[in-house]
Amino acid sequence: EDQVTQSPEALRLQEGESSSLNCSYTVSGLRGLFWYRQDPGKGPEFLFTLYSAGEEKEKERLKATLTKKESFLHITAPKPEDSATYLCAVQEKGGKLIFGQGTELSVKP
Amino acid sequence: EAEVAQSPRYKITEKSQAVAFWCDPISGHATLYWYRQILGQGPELLVQFQDESVVDDSQLPKDRFSAERLKGVDSTLKIQPAELGDSAMYLCASGGAGANVLTFGAGSRLTVL
Repeated sequence: EDQVTQSPEALRLQEGESSSLNCSYTVSGLRGLFWYRQDPGKGPEFLFTLYSAGEEKEKERLKATLTKKESFLHITAPKPEDSATYLCAVQEKGGKLIFGQGTELSVKP
Repeated sequence: EAEVAQSPRYKITEKSQAVAFWCDPISGHATLYWYRQILGQGPELLVQFQDESVVDDSQLPKDRFSAERLKGVDSTLKIQPAELGDSAMYLCASGGAGANVLTFGAGSRLTVL
């Protein structure tokens, strides 16, 4: 059964304190690994797609990396506006996304 | 920027009542998804459409939930009767042909009393 597990469930950082979020997965046929950001009461907003081990993508203070079994979302010098829930998902061959439970990030000034 | 439209944004109902949610995907997107997200959890797929056809509804509780996309454009998700455990955010997403990225709407928050 395809499965996505994210850790930690919650992360509290001080502004400027860099850290990483983990997403481990098992899937029979990976089409891609996705990272989404979700603000309270809103729908998920697309951040990155990674397709093969070794691939990396960056956007502002965020950098996503992928291995054969997990992905990391690195946050460098975070700001309070980076506070959100970060969702990881794997895409199956049929196109649907299987999501993890998310990591709730809080960045304090 | 093109968006996925959903309504209503918020719905409060009593158990045993019927509720319906509407979704208008990005123009031209053939694939449409309904997800349910319980507070503190990740979204879970309820139903996937390709044009007007259901591709996957294996996780849809068919005794009380129904979904349709009659003309292959907008879609409606219905719950009848609603139960307390149905309280959640109902998210609609769409994807274009050959495109892997799903774009989500703002969601419909359901509270069942």
